[in-house]
Amino acid sequence: SSELTQDPAVSVALGQTVRITCQGDSLRSYYASWYQQKPGQAPVLVIYGKNNRPSGIPDRFSGSSSGNTASLTITGAQAEDEADYYCNSRDSSGNLNWVFGGGTKLTVL
Amino acid sequence: EVQLVESGGGLVQPGGSLRLSCAASGFTFSSYWMHWVRQAPGKGLVWVSRINSDGSSTSYADSVKGRFTISRDNAKNTLYLQMNSLRAEDTAVYYCARSPDYGDYAFVNWFDPWGQGTLVTVSS
Repeated sequence: SSELTQDPAVSVALGQTVRITCQGDSLRSYYASWYQQKPGQAPVLVIYGKNNRPSGIPDRFSGSSSGNTASLTITGAQAEDEADYYCNSRDSSGNLNWVFGGGTKLTVL
Repeated sequence: EVQLVESGGGLVQPGGSLRLSCAASGFTFSSYWMHWVRQAPGKGLVWVSRINSDGSSTSYADSVKGRFTISRDNAKNTLYLQMNSLRAEDTAVYYCARSPDYGDYAFVNWFDPWGQGTLVTVSS
């Protein structure tokens, strides 16, 4: 079982706002990073740290965190945002390894 | 252009070995930590292993500890993953990814970029 918990699937109407969440004890101490993966492609970093976007990532993507929950928000979802989204952070066992959430499949209706 | 290119995947029998490589270009390879992440067919991402910038420190997921060895050659800008005693459950696409050299206790970290992945199939 994953130490970071994500909802398996979320849907959003085109142009609306959607929040994808990630829960885990390690998120109280470590920031999450978020990755978008489209079918047959490698993951792409979309958010890291408190709320940082790599160059080339649209500003409709944003991140936040509170307690043991990290969130990825897409404001004004586009058809091309339909993808799997994974959070990542350190695990909570004390060995300082990394762990991914189980992933959330986002459907844009 | 920052780029990571994996190679070395293929079909191997259970109990066999395989060595993956990840060739880096477009950045100072020796200044970054490197990771292997895998994804079984139709499944999610799983972190496998990491190595620090000078190769002096490594860590592994429990599922591969004692069977896999991560290493790097900074002179050749190449990351490796030696996989021994392979099992059917090791079947996956293996990605290499870069992370900043912030040390073990950094509260912020990320993987960027990722390679395109190489498929490892363990089957008789």
